[in-house]
Amino acid sequence: QSALTQPPSASGSPGQSVTISCTGTSSDVGYYKYVSWYRQYPGKAPNLIIYEVAKRPSGVPDRFSGSKSGNTASLTVSGLQPDDEADYYCCSYAGSNNWVFGSGTKVTVL
Amino acid sequence: QGQLQESGPGLVKPSQTLSLTCTVSGGSISSGDYYWSWIRQPPGKGLEWIGYIYYSGSTYYSPSLKSRVSISLDMSNNQFSLKLKSVTAADTAVYYCGRGVVGTMTVDYWGQGTLVTVSS
Repeated sequence: QSALTQPPSASGSPGQSVTISCTGTSSDVGYYKYVSWYRQYPGKAPNLIIYEVAKRPSGVPDRFSGSKSGNTASLTVSGLQPDDEADYYCCSYAGSNNWVFGSGTKVTVL
Repeated sequence: QGQLQESGPGLVKPSQTLSLTCTVSGGSISSGDYYWSWIRQPPGKGLEWIGYIYYSGSTYYSPSLKSRVSISLDMSNNQFSLKLKSVTAADTAVYYCGRGVVGTMTVDYWGQGTLVTVSS
C-alpha cells in the first residue's frame, strides 16, 4: 500500500489561506468517504481536524475545511494563524480493512 | 472523552519482540462503538498504520506488517496490546495507540506516543 501523495511543504502569510492536496487512487481516496486530516505539532501526537472528507470535530474552527474531487482530497486552512504552523497528514480507508496515510505536509506561516 | 496511554520498553534488541500496551480511560474497550488502533512514526518521517482490533477480538493488520504483528485486548484491565516480532532498526519509531469510531471510521483520540528504539 503506497502512501498518499502530499506536497512536502506549503506556506502562507497570516490571514491568508493555504490548501494542501492529498492524492490517492480510485481504490482509496477516490472510492471512499473516509478521508480524514490530522495536524501534528513537533513532538506531539496527531490531532484530528477533519473526518469523512469535510466534517469537523467539535471544537475545530471553521477555518479548517475539507473537500474531495476524484482521487484527490484537499484541506484548506483559511485565515492562517501562527499556531497553524505544523505538519498535516491525510488518511484514507483503502478497502479490505486497510488504511493509508499521506506523506505529510509541513505548513509554514511566513 | 477518551484518554489513551502507551507503555512498554523504550529499547528492544534486533530480532526480539516489541511489546507495547495501551491503557484506555474514560471509556470501555468493550464498547461496540469503537475500535482500537496502533500507528507508528519513524523519526522524521510520516505516519504508518499498523492495525486495529474490535471489541469482538477481530483484528486487521497492515499487509506489510501482517506476518510479524499481533494485537490483543485485555478487557479486565481496559487495555489493548501490540506485539511486533523479529524487529530490526527499521522498526524504530514513535508508536501511538488510538481510538477509532466505528460510525465514522476515524481515529479521533490518540495516546501521546512512545519511542521504541531497536538497537543492540
